[in-house]
Amino acid sequence: DGGITQSPKYLFRKEGQNVTLSCEQNLNHDAMYWYRQDPGQGLRLIYYSQIVNDFQKGDIAEGYSVSREKKESFPLTVTSAQKNPTAFYLCASSQSVGELFFGEGSRLTVL
Amino acid sequence: AQSVAQPEDQVNVAEGNPLTVKCTYSVSGNPYLFWYVQYPNRGLQFLLKYITGDNLVKGSYGFEAEFNKSQTSFHLKKPSALVSDSALYFCAVRDIGNTGKLIFGQGTTLQVKP
Repeated sequence: DGGITQSPKYLFRKEGQNVTLSCEQNLNHDAMYWYRQDPGQGLRLIYYSQIVNDFQKGDIAEGYSVSREKKESFPLTVTSAQKNPTAFYLCASSQSVGELFFGEGSRLTVL
Repeated sequence: AQSVAQPEDQVNVAEGNPLTVKCTYSVSGNPYLFWYVQYPNRGLQFLLKYITGDNLVKGSYGFEAEFNKSQTSFHLKKPSALVSDSALYFCAVRDIGNTGKLIFGQGTTLQVKP
């Protein structure tokens, strides 16, 4: 079935560690997005990419990095510079002006 | 700047009664509007969208939404609520330009009681 796969579902990080969240899509969509969700704050955009080998910062990019080497993959690295990384992370993709399709999310907890 | 507002943190309704989840927007130009639903610890599921055309948009699971340009609103409705409709609902507007990114409201928790 076509869709977006995020892994891992749950991730624990010690302070000072970098972690990478995986996002893979087989929808052949050009655009991909990473959002962060915190209780009561809705979704905030971290990074987005409209085409392979190109990406732009969203509203809260500090402490995060991404790459887009393949059309189907858009991994997100949460670096040690991100001071409050505990959150639910959602990856999405879209084509043209259509709706975004979301993965099932990854929950990151800092120990 | 474009934005959406969901004025209610929570909406409570009895099963079988009609439900409305409110959304207002602020955009320059014609808005592209969306509704999503999220169940606990899950991703967002697309319900419906307004791009152009009829002001009443029908979507998944019996939901519909009415676009009102004069009131800048896009309220989500369902004629008869189910307990299984209990979830977190998000309204979103597409950002201007050709980025495709969506700007989300804060979300409204819908609680349907038997």
